[in-house]
Amino acid sequence: GAGVSQSPSNKVTEKGKDVELRCDPISGHTALYWYRQSLGQGLEFLIYFQGNSAPDKSGLPSDRFSAERTGGSVSTLTIQRTQQEDSAVYLCASSLVASGNHEQFFGPGTRLTVL
Amino acid sequence: EDQVTQSPEALRLQEGESSSLNCSYTVSGLRGLFWYRQDPGKGPEFLFTLYSAGEEKEKERLKATLTKKESFLHITAPKPEDSATYLCAVQAANDYKLSFGAGTTVTVRA
Repeated sequence: GAGVSQSPSNKVTEKGKDVELRCDPISGHTALYWYRQSLGQGLEFLIYFQGNSAPDKSGLPSDRFSAERTGGSVSTLTIQRTQQEDSAVYLCASSLVASGNHEQFFGPGTRLTVL
Repeated sequence: EDQVTQSPEALRLQEGESSSLNCSYTVSGLRGLFWYRQDPGKGPEFLFTLYSAGEEKEKERLKATLTKKESFLHITAPKPEDSATYLCAVQAANDYKLSFGAGTTVTVRA
């Protein structure tokens, strides 16, 4: 079916505002991942879901970041009280399952700019 | 902690000029090593997964190889459309996340 989709593709916000980023994984993929790609840095893992559960949230950079997944499908990454250092491209990926040898397929990303 | 180092940072090639990209890694038990291609403004596109030393995979002008310490991505007779950033990532045994290198940006001139 269709690949991973993310919305919005671009988001410009003011410092201190909250933002929500959405990810629609590939149909049938039970595992979903969030990564962040900052200018000049590699991809940084944030959080992953197996079904609706997030077994490991240790990659989230601060308590201003949270994520949820409903119905084993769509996921939302929320950043509260945004800071300029949150500016980055937020990438979502999905795989068939989290365990075993399964490739992660990425969406196009959401470019977040915090002014 | 898993570490992935890619070299060179940038590579400029003439069309048809073959070359190789390097990915050195340290990981506590390798589940898989992944190569992705990323075009500007887009998400990474999956290319290959390698699981054990000695394994090789090919796709068009690209060939990926794996040893116990590094992986190479060979580009044979590149074309301008091969211009992109190539990312290497490792997944440790019993882990789920990918740890990425910084990437190699390849520019192929006609």
